[in-house]
Amino acid sequence: KAGVTQTPRYLIKTRGQQVTLSCSPISGHRSVSWYQQTPGQGLQFLFEYFSETQRNKGNFPGRFSGRQFSNSRSEMNVSTLELGDSALYLCASSPGPSTGLDTQYFGPGTRLTVL
Amino acid sequence: QKEVEQNSGPLSVPEGAIASLNCTYSDRVSQSFFWYRQYSGKSPELIMSIYSNGDKEDGRFTAQLNKASQYVSLLIRDSQPSDSATYLCAVNKGAQKLVFGQGTRLTINP
Repeated sequence: KAGVTQTPRYLIKTRGQQVTLSCSPISGHRSVSWYQQTPGQGLQFLFEYFSETQRNKGNFPGRFSGRQFSNSRSEMNVSTLELGDSALYLCASSPGPSTGLDTQYFGPGTRLTVL
Repeated sequence: QKEVEQNSGPLSVPEGAIASLNCTYSDRVSQSFFWYRQYSGKSPELIMSIYSNGDKEDGRFTAQLNKASQYVSLLIRDSQPSDSATYLCAVNKGAQKLVFGQGTRLTINP
């Protein structure tokens, strides 16, 4: 079974621009979670989607948004990029709909650099 | 107090020895606990999941959970140089929100 895929793998943007990242979960998985990883803050939860609905959201500003499509693929968008948004963005999929016990499997990540 | 705490290391262990990694968490209602391994420049890879008190073994890896004391540990037996990585402890807070510790950097010395 193919793993979680994320595109693009690397991205360079300038301050003020916006960016869209894409994630395709493992076949049959319906829950997609997004995380941001930086050296200073570590891995932090952004949000989670199940059946096209956002079920949970982390403590990030409204510039960070996401959505999920009927085929469970998900996108996240960051508007008005800031230097501090430079990070590795990770997508994780799990079977769903359980919220407490499912194991999450991570994709390779998208490395975003904001100049 | 951080929700999930780990010693950042680095932890240095000779090849063939047992590596012991520890993690404490603050929320008593947490239901599931995970250990991920992350090599430099790569994404986290699941090592073990544990839900009940006690030990869970998988090959050279043993996870231990003590909900009363709110700690989770990972033992790696017969450590290999390929085990050198950062080990992340994660706690599921519900609605698929994982809260991670800062990670412990482990180095296995040949």
